[in-house]
Amino acid sequence: AQKITQTQPGMFVQEKEAVTLDCTYDTSDPSYGLFWYKQPSSGEMIFLIYQGSYDQQNATEGRYSLNFQKARKSANLVISASQLGDSAMYFCAMREGEGYGQNFVFGPGTRLSVLP
Amino acid sequence: DTGVSQNPRHKITKRGQNVTFRCDPISEHNRLYWYRQTLGQGPEFLTYFQNEAQLEKSRLLSDRFSAERPKGSFSTLEIQRTEQGDSAMYLCASSLGLGPAYEQYFGPGTRLTVT
Repeated sequence: AQKITQTQPGMFVQEKEAVTLDCTYDTSDPSYGLFWYKQPSSGEMIFLIYQGSYDQQNATEGRYSLNFQKARKSANLVISASQLGDSAMYFCAMREGEGYGQNFVFGPGTRLSVLP
Repeated sequence: DTGVSQNPRHKITKRGQNVTFRCDPISEHNRLYWYRQTLGQGPEFLTYFQNEAQLEKSRLLSDRFSAERPKGSFSTLEIQRTEQGDSAMYLCASSLGLGPAYEQYFGPGTRLTVT
């Protein structure tokens, strides 16, 4: 079974608009962390934001925020005021428990295109 | 620049040849990871080191793949008798392993093409 599901293979957004990228996850471990990474065409994975399973508030980092709905097992990334440089692949990832090795998994990604 | 570096950035090889990739992590990071990423997919875990000890390998990893981190600093990933299915981007990441986020910093990757 897929541990991380990203149902949107591709998304388009107008520059300066907000966009939500979906991520659902599957785990029975009560301790886990959720991550979002950006991968531009250059190939390097860039860490964006982190949400721990015990965190009471949704994580925010500048224009990025994570809409964490624990009961629904969803961790959607919201990008506000999109910029052309936001065009990239976006990956949701999950750490279970100590979270190295087999217990750090990535979803298939969503390609975001920001239109001028 | 003190980020994660990987060499070479691109490698083209013929089926059956051996290849070796190098990763230099961020200097104070004790954890090092190797991932493989094929087109249109997210990174897939291959193996993990804490200092010089290889603590975990993917259950899917063929015995043609071997990795080392001899002094707990740089790491090498070797693929023996390459196959066309080995064509992929090979990503290296490092982390301090401290704190709940265990944020991993990735290198630019080595793109392998097996002809």
